[in-house]
Amino acid sequence: AQSVTQLGSHVSVSEGALVLLRCNYSSSVPPYLFWYVQYPNQGLQLLLKYTTGATLVKGINGFEAEFKKSETSFHLTKPSAHMSDAAEYFCAVTSTGNQFYFGTGTSLTVIP
Amino acid sequence: DAGVIQSPRHEVTEMGQEVTLRCKPISGHNSLFWYRQTMMRGLELLIYFNNNVPIDDSGMPEDRFSAKMPNASFSTLKIQPSEPRDSAVYFCASTPGTSLFFGPGTRLTVL
Repeated sequence: AQSVTQLGSHVSVSEGALVLLRCNYSSSVPPYLFWYVQYPNQGLQLLLKYTTGATLVKGINGFEAEFKKSETSFHLTKPSAHMSDAAEYFCAVTSTGNQFYFGTGTSLTVIP
Repeated sequence: DAGVIQSPRHEVTEMGQEVTLRCKPISGHNSLFWYRQTMMRGLELLIYFNNNVPIDDSGMPEDRFSAKMPNASFSTLKIQPSEPRDSAVYFCASTPGTSLFFGPGTRLTVL
């Protein structure tokens, strides 16, 4: 069975500060890991994904995430928050491409 | 590529009425998913299809919900009869095998 846990349903950061959104996963097989972003009144948009290879993955809008197998984590970071980063962020895992398991989401607020 | 297309984008209906949501997946994607999103329950998987065949419908809340995929380019989610607690945003998503690509969603309001 697979699952995803996102620690912190709400995160607030100041503009220009580091963004860190936490995701831990559970998987008995090598996982594919994803971060999605959802802006108000929109669908989920793929930010980045890890499948195989390099464990540090770079995505759109300056975000990146690192796959750490030993910690079963896939935390999302951005060095400097921008007002436009305010959104809901979802971590997801799959091993088959058919069953996707999503976390409960983290709402990011950026304080000017 | 036009992405995943959903219609209508907004639907307001009265309790007891039939509602049909439509989805056109990205061409070439062999799997299609229907999700429901609410503030209380978050993102819930309702059903998914692989090569037009329903694989897992365990997330369909009740017999009032039904989904079909008559061909590779079209799927419907039907609610009959609709109830106020069905109010939510319904997303369709497709995948060629790894990443999920979501449509813009249908915001359903049942009065």
